[in-house]
Amino acid sequence: KAGVTQTPRYLIKTRGQQVTLSCSPISGHRSVSWYQQTPGQGLQFLFEYFSETQRNKGNFPGRFSGRQFSNSRSEMNVSTLELGDSALYLCASSQLAGGDTGELFFGEGSRLTVL
Amino acid sequence: DQQVKQNSPSLSVQEGRISILNCDYTNSMFDYFLWYKKYPAEGPTFLISISSIKDKNEDGRFTVFLNKSAKHLSLHIVPSQPGDSAVYFCAASAGGGTSYGKLTFGQGTILTVHP
Repeated sequence: KAGVTQTPRYLIKTRGQQVTLSCSPISGHRSVSWYQQTPGQGLQFLFEYFSETQRNKGNFPGRFSGRQFSNSRSEMNVSTLELGDSALYLCASSQLAGGDTGELFFGEGSRLTVL
Repeated sequence: DQQVKQNSPSLSVQEGRISILNCDYTNSMFDYFLWYKKYPAEGPTFLISISSIKDKNEDGRFTVFLNKSAKHLSLHIVPSQPGDSAVYFCAASAGGGTSYGKLTFGQGTILTVHP
């Protein structure tokens, strides 16, 4: 069974640009969450989608957005990039709609560098 | 506001001995706790979890203890192996279906197991 796939793995952008990251969850998983990992702030929750609907959102500015498609694949977009957006962006998927096991399966992440 | 805290940035242990990683939380709404392990250039992988209705959960070499009154949990690894060397994250969830994808992570503890 394929794991969570994130593309691209690495990318470099300049300030002011926008970026789109993609995540393909494990087959059968309907929930997709996004996290930002930085050395200073650690792993922080961005948002979570289930059946194409955003159910939860973290404390990030509106420049961070996402969506989920009918096949559960998800994208996140960051507009007007700032230097502080440089981070590892992790996508995680889960099978259950509820909180039975709490287990999220993470992808390897997309490393974004903003120059 | 750090709701989940791992106060030890690093821990060094001899192979075969016990590793104890600690985690404190402040949010009384958290009712599900997880430990994740992360190697460089990989996404976090789930290790073990515990519900707030329990005070101990064991899985092979890994045991998690929860002290709700102290808002403290710990992960014990016995015996420790060099392959356990990684960053360990404590995470918590407020539970329920809509909160399922949202985990609050600690800053992580780097565990080094020496042969």
